[in-house]
Amino acid sequence: GAVVSQHPSWVICKSGTSVKIECRSLDFQATTMFWYRQFPKQSLMLMATSNEGSKATYEQGVEKDKFLINHASLTLSTLTVTSAHPEDSSFYICSARGLAGGGSYNEQFFGPGTRLTVL
Amino acid sequence: AQRVTQPEKLLSVFKGAPVELKCNYSYSGSPELFWYVQYSRQRLQLLLRHISRESIKGFTADLNKGETSFHLKKPFAQEEDSAMYYCALRGGSNYKLTFGKGTLLTVNP
Repeated sequence: GAVVSQHPSWVICKSGTSVKIECRSLDFQATTMFWYRQFPKQSLMLMATSNEGSKATYEQGVEKDKFLINHASLTLSTLTVTSAHPEDSSFYICSARGLAGGGSYNEQFFGPGTRLTVL
Repeated sequence: AQRVTQPEKLLSVFKGAPVELKCNYSYSGSPELFWYVQYSRQRLQLLLRHISRESIKGFTADLNKGETSFHLKKPFAQEEDSAMYYCALRGGSNYKLTFGKGTLLTVNP
């Protein structure tokens, strides 16, 4: 099946610093990538949708200047948490949408997530 | 607006017993409904989608538009079915998925 990787898998940073999280589709081209946030024991909340080569579309309540998303190629999207604060600590999950494994149906494949802890 | 409701946060059954995880949705158009599963320490993965009407790992789900439900069922639960299950809805042309809060299924031996 299709694989989506995220790097790093976990990161600890000091308050005020910026953190970049990478999301890659390893064996297929992702026309659209999604970034989610998941708090402990809660569901996934969509933060933004990005299409390759265009600006990301952010969900209501998500600060686009705080969470910078770049989708430079069909296999790579990055999320940068700028000037991180403790309340930004969370589990960030990316998802890539595309045809994979010879399938005829565009499907969303999820990355393993990145645990961000801001001290 | 689209909304997905999973009323049960926790569900515990014994091995071999039938299991039903409930999912109700709210959407004004024709939705696509999915069930995703997340096993312990693993990533979220697609279990099944309503348009394919398939059975995966013994699980089935039928879209009931009248009741706006998409309950997940399995006649005989197995211990390896223990996981977090999320119902999700996709509406419109933007491919966004809206997730329910999830149900943690525990199958006891």
